[in-house]
Parts: sequence; C-alpha cells; structure tokens
Amino acid sequence: AQSVTQLDSQVPVFEEAPVELRCNYSSSVSVYLFWYVQYPNQGLQLLLKYLSGSTLVKGINGFEAEFNKSQTSFHLRKPSVHISDTAEYFCAVSASGTYKYIFGTGTRLKVLA
Amino acid sequence: SQTIHQWPATLVQPVGSPLSLECTVEGTSNPNLYWYRQAAGRGLQLLFYSVGIGQISSEVPQNLSASRPQDRQFILSSKKLLLSDSGFYLCAWSALLKGEKLFFGSGTQLSVL
Repeated sequence: AQSVTQLDSQVPVFEEAPVELRCNYSSSVSVYLFWYVQYPNQGLQLLLKYLSGSTLVKGINGFEAEFNKSQTSFHLRKPSVHISDTAEYFCAVSASGTYKYIFGTGTRLKVLA
Repeated sequence: SQTIHQWPATLVQPVGSPLSLECTVEGTSNPNLYWYRQAAGRGLQLLFYSVGIGQISSEVPQNLSASRPQDRQFILSSKKLLLSDSGFYLCAWSALLKGEKLFFGSGTQLSVL
C-alpha cells in the first residue's frame, strides 16, 4: 500500500523568499507523484506531476518539484513566492499499476508581506 | 469540455438520517470516479473509487457506501448518519489511463447534528 507524508502542516514565508514544501512517500512499487493546490474558497487543481523521465518537473505558477527515488521524496519548490501563493498544497501518490490516488495531509503555505 | 457537477453544496442532517450525495461528469466517457473526504489536518481521505459501472472499491470501512448506476454518475450514500460523518466531501474524476490528473468537484459540506 502507498502512503504520503507531509511533515509540515504550516509554512510561513515572507514574500519574494524561496520556499520548499516537503513530501515523502512509501510504496513497494513504482509510483506516479502529484502536487495539487487549493486556493482559499476554491477547488483543488493540479500544479505538476511526475510520471517518468526527468526527475525535475516544472509546473504552473513557477513551481517545480524533484523526484528523488533513493530518498522517496518529491519536494515542491519555488524560488520566489508571492502573496497569491497563499494556499494549501497537497502531495499525492498513485502506484503505477493502480487507479488509486492517495493524498497527504496538506501543507498550508502562508506568504507574509 | 469536461465538467463535474456535485450537489448539494451544503447539507445539514440529523444523526440517524439517510444521505445521498450525487456527482455527475459531462463531456467524457468511461471516467474513473472518486469520493474523498477532506477534514482539517487530515488531508484528503480516499473513500471509494470506481473504474466502471457497478464497480466500486472501498478504501475505508465505515458507515458509507457508493454506487455507480451510470457511466458518469457516482453516488455516496448512508442509511444512518453518524456525527463522525461530518466533513467536506469531494467528488473527482480522471481519464481512464493510469497516472492521469484528477479533476475535482466543488464539494459538499456535510454537517451531522
């Protein structure tokens, strides 16, 4: 069975500073990895995904994530955040042989002026 | 284009009453369908998913059930609600291929009193 751990429940960061949101997964088989974002009072939308190939994945709004198989991690990064990046971010995993998507508990990113 | 409809947006029900939440998808065929529950600090918990009519996989043994009477219709039900069933319920769909992104509905906030 797969699982996802997002250790940071809240991350405050000042505007224009870099940010990293951590995600670790557990699976006995190969996986697909995703980051979703939920802006205040909005639905969830996909930021980026990793299926195979290059371990550095670029997504929307300047975010990127790096798949690290040895560390079973898929951390999300942005070099300079904006106030509008304030949202909740969810990491998700899907074992490559299944249709199940397992989500982490989420990280609330609060960008401060 | 594809759209997902979920209703009602808000529901207040007494303990012991039945529940029926409906989700329909338009603009696509043979979608995979999902029910998640979102609770503060617990992220998105996968409740049920379906890869075809009448095919339901249950992820969490509990007081709820799901049905898929038509290709693009997914229903979440309960015969008798418990206080612990309160939460934000999200329906989602993905294309049939593995590793495809999820498209989420706008959710139903259920309060059981």
